[in-house]
Amino acid sequence: NAGVTQTPKFQVLKTGQSMTLQCAQDMNHNSMYWYRQDPGMGLRLIYYSASEGTTDKGEVPNGYNVSRLNKREFSLRLESAAPSQTSVYFCASSERWGAEEKLFFGSGTQLSVL
Amino acid sequence: SQKIEQNSEALNIQEGKTATLTCNYTNYSPAYLQWYRQDPGRGPVFLLLIRENEKEKRKERLKVTFDTTLKQSLFHITASQPADSATYLCALDPRDNYGQNFVFGPGTRLSVLP
Repeated sequence: NAGVTQTPKFQVLKTGQSMTLQCAQDMNHNSMYWYRQDPGMGLRLIYYSASEGTTDKGEVPNGYNVSRLNKREFSLRLESAAPSQTSVYFCASSERWGAEEKLFFGSGTQLSVL
Repeated sequence: SQKIEQNSEALNIQEGKTATLTCNYTNYSPAYLQWYRQDPGRGPVFLLLIRENEKEKRKERLKVTFDTTLKQSLFHITASQPADSATYLCALDPRDNYGQNFVFGPGTRLSVLP
């Protein structure tokens, strides 16, 4: 049972380059999320998808796009990378019991933009 | 403004002692609050959830309290061990978007010294 799988684990980009971060979950969860984590700032939500076919902006969506390809996969794209996007990116999916949700995270992608 | 604070960026304690981590929030009225553990190079892992009508919740050596009047949660690890060394994050449900989003604190890095 793999849980949430992210690729790649590490990536170095030059300013202006594009790339896509891949995420897949095998827990049959409806909701999926992309967060970024920066020192001293906690996890900040970039985009989320409440179900297949829907996506919504989070707290820090500028410079990113997402695709919910199917129920399992949720990708994050940087069209023109900037140094401010240097961060650790986490994909997550959530399990809901009534009004409560619990997040399951992938192991992260460390991205450096030079 | 809305924010979540965790008492300190880093906390060092001696093995066998009780570690107490604090999470304070302002301008939220969460239905529940969660605690996650994060090891270096890994994604956060869910530990405990406590609801607004619960004062205390326990799981093995872990205990969480939730005071909605003080807007504070305390996370205790009793009989701490070096294996408990990690960063601990609190997260709350901001009660908008019906629990689709979570708001995370910046985390406290706990080191348990042998």
